[in-house]
Amino acid sequence: GAVVSQHPSWVICKSGTSVKIECRSLDFQATTMFWYRQFPKQSLMLMATSNEGSKATYEQGVEKDKFLINHASLTLSTLTVTSAHPEDSSFYICSAREQRHPNQPQHFGDGTRLSIL
Amino acid sequence: AQSVAQPEDQVNVAEGNPLTVKCTYSVSGNPYLFWYVQYPNRGLQFLLKYITGDNLVKGSYGFEAEFNKSQTSFHLKKPSALVSDSALYFCAVRDDGGGFKTIFGAGTRLFVKA
Repeated sequence: GAVVSQHPSWVICKSGTSVKIECRSLDFQATTMFWYRQFPKQSLMLMATSNEGSKATYEQGVEKDKFLINHASLTLSTLTVTSAHPEDSSFYICSAREQRHPNQPQHFGDGTRLSIL
Repeated sequence: AQSVAQPEDQVNVAEGNPLTVKCTYSVSGNPYLFWYVQYPNRGLQFLLKYITGDNLVKGSYGFEAEFNKSQTSFHLKKPSALVSDSALYFCAVRDDGGGFKTIFGAGTRLFVKA
C-alpha cells in the first residue's frame, strides 16, 4: 500500500530555532500534500495544502512566514517552523494523496512531535 | 459548507461485544466518506471509504460502515471488538463539488475492556 514517511518523529529544541520536517511519499507520486497540526485529545487542524511545483495554500489564521512549506517534487514536501517558540509545540502530521481525485483516501505520515523549550 | 460530527468523545465496550462509533455529515454535493484510526504518537491509518454503491462498506481489521443517506450518517461498526481496537477514530468527509479539502471529525476514543 501507499506509504508516507515523515521525519523526524520527535524534535526537542530551544526557543528561536528553526525546525524542518520532511514528508516523503515512498511508493507513489503525491500531487497534493497536506500539513496538519494536532493538539492533545483534539482533531486534526489543516494548516496548508501544497501542490507540487506551486505555492502552498494556507488556511485562515496560519502564518505563512512562520510555517514555510515547500513541495519541490512529487515525492517530497517540507514544513519549516521558523523561529519556533513554546506555543508552536505540537504534533504535526503530513498527508499525501496520489491523484487529484476526491475519492482517493489520504495517506498519513506517523507525525512529528515538536517540543520547544 | 461541509461538516462532520462525531457525537461521542468516548465509547467503551467489552471485548467480544459489537461496537459502533457514530458519525454524521453535511455536504452540498455527493459525499465521499472515510474512516481513519490513530494509535498513540502515530499518524492516521485509512480503514475504509464510501464513494458510491452498496451502503455497507467493508474495510480493514474487520471494520465496516453503513452509509445512510436519509440520516446523513456513516457509523463505523465491528461485530466483535478486540482490546487492540482501542484507539482514536476519525470520520472524514469530502464532497464531490468541494475541491480537495477533507474535513475531519473531532474524533472518538474507543476503549475496549478485556
